[in-house]
Amino acid sequence: QQQVKQSPQSLIVQKGGISIINCAYENTAFDYFPWYQQFPGKGPALLIAIRPDVSEKKEGRFTISFNKSAKQFSLHIMDSQPGDSATYFCAASWDYKLSFGAGTTVTVRA
Amino acid sequence: SQTIHQWPATLVQPVGSPLSLECTVEGTSNPNLYWYRQAAGRGLQLLFYSVGIGQISSEVPQNLSASRPQDRQFILSSKKLLLSDSGFYLCAYTPGTGGDEQFFGPGTRLTVL
Repeated sequence: QQQVKQSPQSLIVQKGGISIINCAYENTAFDYFPWYQQFPGKGPALLIAIRPDVSEKKEGRFTISFNKSAKQFSLHIMDSQPGDSATYFCAASWDYKLSFGAGTTVTVRA
Repeated sequence: SQTIHQWPATLVQPVGSPLSLECTVEGTSNPNLYWYRQAAGRGLQLLFYSVGIGQISSEVPQNLSASRPQDRQFILSSKKLLLSDSGFYLCAYTPGTGGDEQFFGPGTRLTVL
């Protein structure tokens, strides 16, 4: 049973455009929501994270929006660059353990 | 600074052979340690985690086992590999100072033939 559902599976965006990835969860015990970026053949790298008492967090071109009542959160990549082409995973944490979404492959066209 | 190492980077093994993958963490004491498996084009599945030496929790019943013989060493093993054990194995840690951030190693690509 997948505890975190992620969409879309893949997306293509033009350079300079906005990429939006959505995630939804059911377990209200989750208390930490990170996003990871993974390049082919590499381990995932922590990108940005948020806690449920905050509705938005921004770091550079990356923004997390969090809707606690809807049990949804999303990643926005502003001014997308070719170097942002990667697979992005959302996750949710409870009791020291992370549950991951299935991932979104983002392709930025120059 | 903190770093995490995994080896080997790639491994090709025949069905029925044993397996030993190693993960070590530097720069922090008493970390939480994790083993994940990632199938091709899929998300990450938590296999084992450890909050201390000799303490192992298994998330998914399977052909694998884990051990933590030292504070910053985590080993993934199998006595007899199956074709379905192929995948990308990732070790991760949470620093011993606390917090929720998990940091991943570079991974081991395992192919069972």
